Amino acid sequence: DGGITQSPKYLFRKEGQNVTLSCEQNLNHDAMYWYRQDPGQGLRLIYYSQIVNDFQKGDIAEGYSVSREKKESFPLTVTSAQKNPTAFYLCASSRENSPLHFGNGTRLTVT
Amino acid sequence: GEDVEQSLFLSVREGDSSVINCTYTDSSSTYLYWYKQEPGAGLQLLTYIFSNMDMKQDQRLTVLLNKKDKHLSLRIADTQTGDSAIYFCAETPESQGNLIFGKGTKLSVKP
Repeated sequence: DGGITQSPKYLFRKEGQNVTLSCEQNLNHDAMYWYRQDPGQGLRLIYYSQIVNDFQKGDIAEGYSVSREKKESFPLTVTSAQKNPTAFYLCASSRENSPLHFGNGTRLTVT
Repeated sequence: GEDVEQSLFLSVREGDSSVINCTYTDSSSTYLYWYKQEPGAGLQLLTYIFSNMDMKQDQRLTVLLNKKDKHLSLRIADTQTGDSAIYFCAETPESQGNLIFGKGTKLSVKP
């Protein structure tokens, strides 16, 4: 079955540590996205990539970094510079001019 | 800038129809989408409508688009308790591949 896999489902870190969230897709989609979801805030775009080895900042990129070395993979690193990292993180992918398909999310808690 | 507005809550009785409304700002959006999110999960694409259409029906779901007023609605007929979730409206600004989401409408279905 094709789909988007985010791992792990729950992640706990201490403040000051960097943490990397995994996102893998086997849908052969060119574009991949990272969104952050906070209660009552909807989804906000962190980074997106429309092609391998290229990515663009979204609305709230500060404190985050990404890489796109392979078409299937778009990992997100939450750095210690991110002031409020506790959130639900959603990865998505799409073909051109097609709807986004979402993974099941990773809930990150930083204490 | 782009913005998508939705009311935050809607409560209906089982068997009634639910209507979730959305307004958007980017008149160049090619597609408009409705996504459903169940607790702790990712977003599931429910339906979408092309901007040159004014209505789309898919089983219990009816989408109405008023392009002049930039108003989109989702009607769920015979609402069931399993329809309880958060529903997101989203638009696709012409200049970008990502989606702009509303904050989501939490639908509660009472038995």
